[in-house]
Amino acid sequence: EIVLTQSPATLSLSPGERATLSCRASQSVSSYLAWYQQKPGQAPRLLISDASTRATGIPARFSGSGSGTDFTLTISSLEPEDFAVYYCQQRSNWPLTFGGGTKVEIK
Amino acid sequence: EVQLLESGGDLEQPGGSLRLSCAASGFTFSSYAIYWVRQAPGKGLEWVSGIGGSGGTTYYADSVKGRFTISRDNSKNTVTLQMNSLRADDTAVYYCARRFCSSSSCYVVIPSAFDVWGQGTMVTVSS
Repeated sequence: EIVLTQSPATLSLSPGERATLSCRASQSVSSYLAWYQQKPGQAPRLLISDASTRATGIPARFSGSGSGTDFTLTISSLEPEDFAVYYCQQRSNWPLTFGGGTKVEIK
Repeated sequence: EVQLLESGGDLEQPGGSLRLSCAASGFTFSSYAIYWVRQAPGKGLEWVSGIGGSGGTTYYADSVKGRFTISRDNSKNTVTLQMNSLRADDTAVYYCARRFCSSSSCYVVIPSAFDVWGQGTMVTVSS
């Protein structure tokens, strides 16, 4: 099973600041990594597929990068609605696995 | 509007059974693989199961293999998760989700990201 480790667990930032979230895989997942945003009481929303492709309707301030074992989700300038929990997920192998999440909170 | 809607969550005793349903609308249901993902209270996401468009191919997480069964009825646009021998650690919100797909073979159940999610249904296993 591929283990995904997200860091930091919590990121305290102010609106307008840049957020950099990390996801590290226990073995290579090539570019088969997705990012999701989840707000309290809501289902996850797909942000990024295949490491760097924004999903339909996702603002350009969200970007993904990386390959192999190290990946980054960057939010260039935080909007109030971006404060949420973010998960990475690999689709390289069964079983599908998710990272433990990074909470982006208002400082 | 593309939509998934789960139902069937409830409070059940350990060792009991529950049947969850996922009703789809707004897209050609049989053309997509569908998955279940769960989230224990205050915890992260865990993939549970997946099924291909025809229903002939299924996959399960080790934690539920032999206890849960996924199936689908394309005439009713529904996917079902039959959950037997429930345990306390099955307590979670259960989401159904559609395979994210940019090709013409979206019915194939492969390791995938998920582009459409339901709102979730809560399963509580407790005596």
